[in-house]
Amino acid sequence: SYVLTQPPSVSVALGETATITCGGNRIATKSVHWYQQKPGQAPVVVIYYDRDRPSGIPERISGSSSGDTATLTISGVEAGDEADYYCQVRDTSAEHVVFGGGTKLTVL
Amino acid sequence: EVQLVESGGDLVQPGGSLRLSCTASGFTFDYHSMHWVRQAPGKGLEWVSGLTWDSRSSAYADSVKGRFSISRDNDKKSLYLQMNSLRPEDTALYYCVKELDPYSYYAVLDFWGQGTLVTVSS
Repeated sequence: SYVLTQPPSVSVALGETATITCGGNRIATKSVHWYQQKPGQAPVVVIYYDRDRPSGIPERISGSSSGDTATLTISGVEAGDEADYYCQVRDTSAEHVVFGGGTKLTVL
Repeated sequence: EVQLVESGGDLVQPGGSLRLSCTASGFTFDYHSMHWVRQAPGKGLEWVSGLTWDSRSSAYADSVKGRFSISRDNDKKSLYLQMNSLRPEDTALYYCVKELDPYSYYAVLDFWGQGTLVTVSS
């Protein structure tokens, strides 16, 4: 089955740029979606189809994908960005939804 | 406004059964594939099962295959998860989740309910 690998934690200073990676075999050939989950809340999609933003998601949140790595970038990090972030793809070989293990973003 | 309201979570003994329900509103339910995703306490997201808009195709995580069954009633705008032979490791918050695009299949999960808690313990 397809495996997505994320770093367990990322720390970034207020106002700086956070980069969260999601590794998977030839992930660039798949559509990658990213979810933000704040404590006690349900997840919210922040990026879909690698780089598209749903309405209401600020432009400082962006996504990209190349080779074996997809990346979620948050520019000008704010305190409110502190959350867990999950990447997700469709595993076409098994017709499954696959999530990465999640990355906890800490704003210093 | 899209709403997904889960119910049916409870404390159950190992080996027991539960049926979760999810009632949808605010969108054309019978156009969208639906999923169950769970989250054990303090852990990450785990996809459990998905069902296409017309109920013609379903899929399950290996961890629940053969024990759980997903179904839907488009007339009642409801999604269900029948859980049998429950194990302590099934303890989690179970989310009902909608796909973004009509007639899509295991793609973007764009709206999540607030979840219903299942606890499996003796």
